[in-house]
Order: sequence, then structure tokens, then C-alpha cells
Amino acid sequence: EPEVTQTPSHQVTQMGQEVILRCVPISNHLYFYWYRQILGQKVEFLVSFYNNEISEKSEIFDDQFSVERPDGSNFTLKIRSTKLEDSAMYFCASSEETSGYNEQFFGPGTRLTVL
Amino acid sequence: ELKVEQNPLFLSMQEGKNYTIYCNYSTTSDRLYWYRQDPGKSLESLFVLLSNGAVKQEGRLMASLDTKARLSTLHITAAVHDLSATYFCAVDKGSSNYQLIWGAGTKLIIKP
Repeated sequence: EPEVTQTPSHQVTQMGQEVILRCVPISNHLYFYWYRQILGQKVEFLVSFYNNEISEKSEIFDDQFSVERPDGSNFTLKIRSTKLEDSAMYFCASSEETSGYNEQFFGPGTRLTVL
Repeated sequence: ELKVEQNPLFLSMQEGKNYTIYCNYSTTSDRLYWYRQDPGKSLESLFVLLSNGAVKQEGRLMASLDTKARLSTLHITAAVHDLSATYFCAVDKGSSNYQLIWGAGTKLIIKP
């Protein structure tokens, strides 16, 4: 069964460093998303991506964040200068346009720890 | 602003009992999703509810949607330990990119 994959599973970085989180969405899906979840808390939307551009982003997704689809399969989230409060689980999700609804399929997540 | 509220946020129950988790949302939407998350794991899609009165069942879980009341319920019948997890509801914002707005989650612990 097709699934979303993410790498790395765990990333430890120093405050101020740049990190790139990688995702491979399900191959026939057209919509891609990044979410984050601080430990024990709710899932927070970061950004959605469609047709090679950002379609919507949240207030959390400020100038330190960027997304890219560098090739036909990968979807990346870059955090330019990490802060302690960026420590969280980051989930990538993808969906296909199916009769006007949006069942999103999630990857296993990347746990980001900023020291 | 679309808000999604779940209750209870924490539920501890015995095996064999029935219980219901509630999901209220603040604006009109006819697309609601339920997800399950095991500790340290990803989010697994359980149900997609697309219209008023929609009811879906999978094993001991049944989800329903009342768009007029802006309420969805997730009912657990004769709970078993394997259903212990955190359950999230999410509402489709209705924008063209289908952004989901999430509830805070209900942590369900089922004791043998």
C-alpha cells in the first residue's frame, strides 16, 4: 500500500542552525502539507502546497520557513535558523483530489530537537 | 476563525464499556475527519464524514456527523485495550486547498 515517507526520523540541531526535513508523498497525490505537533499538544497546520506553489500558510510559517518540491517526488521543509521553540514533531501529509474532499495521509514524522 | 473543540480531552475507561467522544466546530462545514494517533506515532485516518447525517462504522468505532448542530461524535462500543490512543477530529476549512483545522485530541486509555 502506498505511504508517505519522511526522513530523518529524528534530527538534533543547535539553535540557529538550518535544517531540512524531507518527505516523499504518495505518488499520485497532488496536495502536500506540513504540520507540526509539539509534544502532547494539538496538530498545527504550517503550509499547504499545490501545483508547485504554496496555496496557504499559517501564522507559524514565517520567513524562517520555506518549502520546496525540488523534483518529482520529494517535498522539503527548511527551517533557516532554528529556535528552541521549533522543537516538535513535524508531519508531512499528502492527498489527492477526490470528489471534493481531502483525506490526508500522514508520514511517520520527523522529531526535531533544537538544543 | 474556525475552531474545533473536542471533549473530553482525557478519558480513562474499563474494557467492555461504551463511551462517546464529542467534536464541536464553530463554522459551517460538511467535511469532518477522524484520526487516531498511537504514542510516538503518526496519524492514521479513521473516518471521513461528508454530509449531514453521515454515519460510518469500523469495528467497535462509529462516527457520525450533524452539520446543523456542528457536531460529530465518535462512539466506542465494548472498548478493548487495543483502542487506547489519542483521537483527533479535524474539520475541512473549505478553502480550495482543503486545509484541516484540528481539535486538541482526546487521549483514551482503556484498562483491561
